[in-house]
Amino acid sequence: KQEVTQIPAALSVPEGENLVLNCSFTDSAIYNLQWFRQDPGKGLTSLLLIQSSQREQTSGRLNASLDKSSGRSTLYIAASQPGDSATYLCAVSGNTPLVFGKGTRLSVIA
Amino acid sequence: DGGITQSPKYLFRKEGQNVTLSCEQNLNHDAMYWYRQDPGQGLRLIYYSQIVNDFQKGDIAEGYSVSREKKESFPLTVTSAQKNPTAFYLCASSTDQERQETQYFGPGTRLLVL
Repeated sequence: KQEVTQIPAALSVPEGENLVLNCSFTDSAIYNLQWFRQDPGKGLTSLLLIQSSQREQTSGRLNASLDKSSGRSTLYIAASQPGDSATYLCAVSGNTPLVFGKGTRLSVIA
Repeated sequence: DGGITQSPKYLFRKEGQNVTLSCEQNLNHDAMYWYRQDPGQGLRLIYYSQIVNDFQKGDIAEGYSVSREKKESFPLTVTSAQKNPTAFYLCASSTDQERQETQYFGPGTRLLVL
C-alpha cells in the first residue's frame, strides 16, 4: 500500500529565505505527483503536477522535482514571502486515486 | 465562474442523525471524489466516482454513502453508523480518474457533532 511522508511537519523561516520541502513515497509505480497548497480552513489549490516521465516542473518561484526511482520529491520555494504561509501537501497517484502526505505547515516571518 | 461548490460551510449533527453534504461542479469533469481531513492529518479518500451512476469505496467508506445521479453532483451522506464524524470534508473533481489529471477542490464543509 502506498504511503507518503512529508518532512518536516512544520517549518518557520524569515522572509526572503529559499526553502525546500520534502516528500517521499514507498511505491515507485506512480503516474504522477502533485503539490498542493492549503490555507487554514480552506480547500486545496493545485500548485504543480509532475508526470512520472518528468524530472521537474516550475511555476514562478516554485520548482518541484521528482526522483521516481528513489521515491522522492522536493518543492523548492525561492525568495519566500509572508503570503507563502500555508500547509503544503504532496500526493501521488498510481492504480488508485491520490494518496496524500500529512503536509508541511510553513510560516514565513516578515 | 467554473468551479466546485460545497454546502453548507458548517454542519451540525445530532446523535443518531444522518446528514448530507452537497458537492456541485460546473467544470464538466467526469470524476469526483470525497475526502476527509482530521487535524494535522492528510486527506483520506472516502468514495470516488468515475462516471454517472457508478462509484467506488475509498479507504474509509464505512459509515458513509454517496450517489452520482448527475454528472455535476456527488452528495455525501454521513450516516449514524459513522461514530466519529467530526472532521473537515473536501470534495474534488478531475477530468479523468484513470489518467490521473489534476484534481480541483471545493472550499470544504466542517461537520461538528452536537
